[in-house]
Amino acid sequence: DAKTTQPPSMDCAEGRAANLPCNHSTISGNEYVYWYRQIHSQGPQYIIHGLKNNETNEMASLIITEDRKSSTLILPHATLRDTAVYYCIVSYNTDKLIFGTGTRLQVFP
Amino acid sequence: AAGVIQSPRHLIKEKRETATLKCYPIPRHDTVYWYQQGPGQDPQFLISFYEKMQSDKGSIPDRFSAQQFSDYHSELNMSSLELGDSALYFCASSLGVLLSLDTEAFFGQGTRLTVV
Repeated sequence: DAKTTQPPSMDCAEGRAANLPCNHSTISGNEYVYWYRQIHSQGPQYIIHGLKNNETNEMASLIITEDRKSSTLILPHATLRDTAVYYCIVSYNTDKLIFGTGTRLQVFP
Repeated sequence: AAGVIQSPRHLIKEKRETATLKCYPIPRHDTVYWYQQGPGQDPQFLISFYEKMQSDKGSIPDRFSAQQFSDYHSELNMSSLELGDSALYFCASSLGVLLSLDTEAFFGQGTRLTVV
């Protein structure tokens, strides 16, 4: 199963950048890093995914280290609506998403 | 844009009854995944289908079965319901399986099953 490590919780002031780290030291060369979030019992929401290059979309940026053993999800201007549990997921040679415990991000005013 | 549709959104059943949850994937998506999320828990993978064939299986009880139909919608059948089956059940869909393609899975809003 997937082995990613994330801090259990983080705080961020509204309007500031939220940087959520993830360690995935056993990732192999063809495995993608996915980020999802879940806002209070809603369905997990896809944010972004990447292989080795940094990625950016309208929601966030994903920075993957050169050795691919860790990554950081960046929400450039956090809002109260970004309060959620953020999951970093690596497929680890399976065709499914295995959710770990995630990071509970609290955005405060 | 069309999303993953799950029905019903809420379901209340008594112990030992059966329940059927339905999932309608995003149009053209051929892969469906089912997850169970108990209170205070993270989503747990149950089972997945690719092109109407089971592609992977997780910690799905023998009392549960699922299938994907010719129109790619999927149904999760749950029999002999127990109190511990009370949970949120999410369905996700993707175009192709995650391992082989640069693709992503999108989740529905879930079905909240309460067993009393």
